[in-house]
Amino acid sequence: DTEVTQTPKHLVMGMTNKKSLKCEQHMGHRAMYWYKQKAKKPPELMFVYSYEKLSINESVPSRFSPECPNSSLLNLHLHALQPEDSALYLCASSQDTLRDNEQFFGPGTRLTVL
Amino acid sequence: QQPVQSPQAVILREGEDAVINCSSSKALYSVHWYRQKHGEAPVFLMILLKGGEQKGHEKISASFNEKKQQSSLYLTASQLSYSGTYFCGTTDSWGKLQFGAGTQVVVTP
Repeated sequence: DTEVTQTPKHLVMGMTNKKSLKCEQHMGHRAMYWYKQKAKKPPELMFVYSYEKLSINESVPSRFSPECPNSSLLNLHLHALQPEDSALYLCASSQDTLRDNEQFFGPGTRLTVL
Repeated sequence: QQPVQSPQAVILREGEDAVINCSSSKALYSVHWYRQKHGEAPVFLMILLKGGEQKGHEKISASFNEKKQQSSLYLTASQLSYSGTYFCGTTDSWGKLQFGAGTQVVVTP
């Protein structure tokens, strides 16, 4: 199984809502990532988890809260988002965080904040 | 700092060749190449490592000039399936992958 799955595929939420994005991989990878991608832009790194511990937070606002319950799962909890947070949120995983490991991306969750 | 890609876009006819370049002002330890089709996730193509090692698909050709801090991706005898946006990325010691702005490739019949 070389797949990263993400749910939901689409999400529409109001600025006062609380929602969560879910990511799952069963490749035994020990590094997992959240990226944000705006239209016609490259993916921007948000968070890196290495061996279930948060190793990188790219100065992401606290309205985004990541969680790694186990080595296969990664969540992104959303609260009090702004319309400018509307984007494609991509999850990725890799063997570990070493430079020579490719990242496998999930299909993404397209988030719209009203 | 974000790596710099060129060109921004290229239009090819099937069978033609193209080169996409990626450069960085910082010392490069590895260069990653990904392709993203519209509405889909980025897909891994190749990693080039310092010292000449490469990991990736056999049909993809790329080079890595460590001294010039540049990498090039070669699209040879292009096919319709090559269309998409190509991103190069560089990593630091923490595993942070930073992508360039991307090169949009359109292959026409």
